[in-house]
Amino acid sequence: DAKTTQPPSMDCAEGRAANLPCNHSTISGNEYVYWYRQIHSQGPQYIIHGLKNNETNEMASLIITEDRKSSTLILPHATLRDTAVYYCIVRVASRGGNEKLTFGTGTRLTIIP
Amino acid sequence: GAGVSQSPSNKVTEKGKDVELRCDPISGHTALYWYRQSLGQGLEFLIYFQGNSAPDKSGLPSDRFSAERTGGSVSTLTIQRTQQEDSAVYLCASSLGGGKAEAFFGQGTRLTVV
Repeated sequence: DAKTTQPPSMDCAEGRAANLPCNHSTISGNEYVYWYRQIHSQGPQYIIHGLKNNETNEMASLIITEDRKSSTLILPHATLRDTAVYYCIVRVASRGGNEKLTFGTGTRLTIIP
Repeated sequence: GAGVSQSPSNKVTEKGKDVELRCDPISGHTALYWYRQSLGQGLEFLIYFQGNSAPDKSGLPSDRFSAERTGGSVSTLTIQRTQQEDSAVYLCASSLGGGKAEAFFGQGTRLTVV
């Protein structure tokens, strides 16, 4: 899996949009970008994933640059419950290939009341 | 069950003893992963099972660690002759497989070696 680079920590005011960046400059054409988060003392939780188009679901939006070398996870209206460590992962998408998820150090997001 | 189930949730063992940690994946999920997370650290990949393929054991830290997945469902992670540095939360995840499928994690087993 390609390596990712994320800032170690970020703060965001409650109610504002939280924008979490991720660099994945060595991503391959068949690798997806995944985001997970881990709230204290819980197992990681899937958020969203994408290949090259922007994606949106009930939790977040994922913006991937045209060259796919970086992406941004957007939490549109952050709440205190969004305080967590956010992991950006790139992963081969081919069926039958190794689907191992390799977690980096992530970004510790703190939502400020 | 609705999610990935791990047991026990907590385990305290004496140094040198063997332990077995169990993971019940979501029904129908062909892929199963084990990770461990030491206090304040990130997730360390241990082993990955996909269907009938040979497992990816590249993350197992030593030959004291082994894992099985019987009948393509339940998995057991075994640690022999436990050491204090084995103390961590051991997390299991499962997915439908196919590369694009998201993985769902259990709540983990907190292992403490005293």
